[in-house]
Amino acid sequence: DAGVIQSPRHEVTEMGQEVTLRCKPISGHDYLFWYRQTMMRGLELLIYFNNNVPIDDSGMPEDRFSAKMPNASFSTLKIQPSEPRDSAVYFCASREPGGQETQYFGPGTRLLVL
Amino acid sequence: AQSVTQPDIHITVSEGASLELRCNYSYGATPYLFWYVQSPGQGLQLLLKYFSGDTLVQGIKGFEAEFKRSQSSFNLRKPSVHWSDAAEYFCAVGFIGSGNTGKLIFGQGTTLQVKP
Repeated sequence: DAGVIQSPRHEVTEMGQEVTLRCKPISGHDYLFWYRQTMMRGLELLIYFNNNVPIDDSGMPEDRFSAKMPNASFSTLKIQPSEPRDSAVYFCASREPGGQETQYFGPGTRLLVL
Repeated sequence: AQSVTQPDIHITVSEGASLELRCNYSYGATPYLFWYVQSPGQGLQLLLKYFSGDTLVQGIKGFEAEFKRSQSSFNLRKPSVHWSDAAEYFCAVGFIGSGNTGKLIFGQGTTLQVKP
């Protein structure tokens, strides 16, 4: 199994630009989570999906952030427009059906907004 | 409210010494319990998990953890630390039954430094 795949692994952009982060969950998993990690705030849950439907987006910081999951094998997290304070590592994780809660994390996308 | 506390933000141990990282959670429901490790520049890797049964669970890389319901704790231990264990460790909790929201609650993490 290839695990959770995220792209790009690194992204450098300028303030005001649109940023799109991508995630491919493990095949057969029905939950997908987006997290943000910073030194100041630690690991924060932004949004999560169950069967492609957003369940809880209360962690999304602002309207500049949006996430979609058009099908079971793909999700995006978009920031538009980006700001320097969005610089962080963004992780995607997926979870298998069965209710045992184990999440498997991708390698993360390191975002730097200049 | 559900919460997870890792009281130690940073721990330094000598290579070969034993290690214990603390984790406490607050909520009355039966928990699922996890420890993840994050090496520098990497994602989170599952070390071990507890769902039910034997309260002492074994994980990868020689780690173990013990669930103590009376203390609402799930401390991580290793008898002899290796330099490669230097990383950040996260405790996480999910809740079974009526407390289940589908998500995990993560602690703030403990950074482990290993002295040669």
